[in-house]
Amino acid sequence: AQSVTQLDSQVPVFEEAPVELRCNYSSSVSVYLFWYVQYPNQGLQLLLKYLSGSTLVKGINGFEAEFNKSQTSFHLRKPSVHISDTAEYFCAVFTSGTYKYIFGTGTRLKVLA
Amino acid sequence: NAGVTQTPKFRVLKTGQSMTLLCAQDMNHEYMYWYRQDPGMGLRLIHYSVGEGTTAKGEVPDGYNVSRLKKQNFLLGLESAAPSQTSVYFCASSKIQNQPQHFGDGTRLSIL
Repeated sequence: AQSVTQLDSQVPVFEEAPVELRCNYSSSVSVYLFWYVQYPNQGLQLLLKYLSGSTLVKGINGFEAEFNKSQTSFHLRKPSVHISDTAEYFCAVFTSGTYKYIFGTGTRLKVLA
Repeated sequence: NAGVTQTPKFRVLKTGQSMTLLCAQDMNHEYMYWYRQDPGMGLRLIHYSVGEGTTAKGEVPDGYNVSRLKKQNFLLGLESAAPSQTSVYFCASSKIQNQPQHFGDGTRLSIL
């Protein structure tokens, strides 16, 4: 069955340090991959998406992610985080085989001063 | 530039009461979704719609009903609320199924 795994439920990091939030998926067919951010008391907002083409995808707020088909991963990175990046981040996968859009359980990023 | 609007934003119900959550989108999207978000469980799909007049069950449909009489509106109903339905409910829409979803700000529902 299709699944999305975000292994880290919480990631604390100091301001201006780099961060990587991990996302792995299970699917043997074509996938479309997304990262969303959720600030407190708000809905999810799209950070970036991979539909096809270059495996390195750049998104808003300085975030980027790399699609690795052999590792079935789509990790999110930022070279230098800010306090304002404190939020919950969700990875999502849509597969053309099942026509299902599945969200991971989320990773809470806490940026420390 | 409203996007997806959910009403109400907060509600407290007693067990057994009924209510309807409203979702409206102004982007002419075909697809609309209702999710619930619970701590540590991410987003779980309740029901979805692939166009006006259509609805389909998602991952956790029991205890909920939906209707999409107009393309821009997607209603979620709780016929007899239970404490297990205490959650944050999100509505989302997308142009086509494999595209990003646009979310409302959520409805926080508590059932006592």
